[in-house]
Amino acid sequence: SAVISQKPSRDICQRGTSLTIQCQVDSQVTMMFWYRQQPGQSLTLIATANQGSEATYESGFVIDKFPISRPNLTFSTLTVSNMSPEDSSIYLCSVAPGQGAAGYTFGSGTRLTVV
Amino acid sequence: GEDVEQSLFLSVREGDSSVINCTYTDSSSTYLYWYKQEPGAGLQLLTYIFSNMDMKQDQRLTVLLNKKDKHLSLRIADTQTGDSAIYFCAESDNFNKFYFGSGTKLNVKP
Repeated sequence: SAVISQKPSRDICQRGTSLTIQCQVDSQVTMMFWYRQQPGQSLTLIATANQGSEATYESGFVIDKFPISRPNLTFSTLTVSNMSPEDSSIYLCSVAPGQGAAGYTFGSGTRLTVV
Repeated sequence: GEDVEQSLFLSVREGDSSVINCTYTDSSSTYLYWYKQEPGAGLQLLTYIFSNMDMKQDQRLTVLLNKKDKHLSLRIADTQTGDSAIYFCAESDNFNKFYFGSGTKLNVKP
């Protein structure tokens, strides 16, 4: 299965600022996904990022708040913009399984605290 | 979205078996998964089962699927302190969307 490097692993940010999270995959993947895990809760899909097209956002998430880039088949970034304490969460990227495999692979997550 | 329900906590003694349960609502689920999240870490795929199977065993892990009742369970035999983590069940009807349960925090007492 793919190996994902996600960074930063954690950050403490001031409200009103923005943070860009990076995910690098060791193989080419068509679809990458960004999730949010709020404290003590399950994962919520933010958006699906396909290379060469705009990301598809889930209900409740908008591009102005969570802009995503997908410049090639191995890399994606998620920016959390104009942060507030409510954005404090773990953010995870994920890739779909390769052919013949099942089960998405997740990055190790970025633990964001907004103060 | 689809509903995936899990109990929030489970506490067992080291060496006992743990059984974590999950129910889901989507009858078109193709795959059902169990992920493990250790403190401060991302999600690790433990095992998965295709919807046309009713059981899958992988070393200490046994997954049981009752498709009629939409019930999935994960049994961990000989539970160790290193198994302490949050366990998420998830289902997908295709390779585009996952629906996760709220996670079950397993506490293994020595």
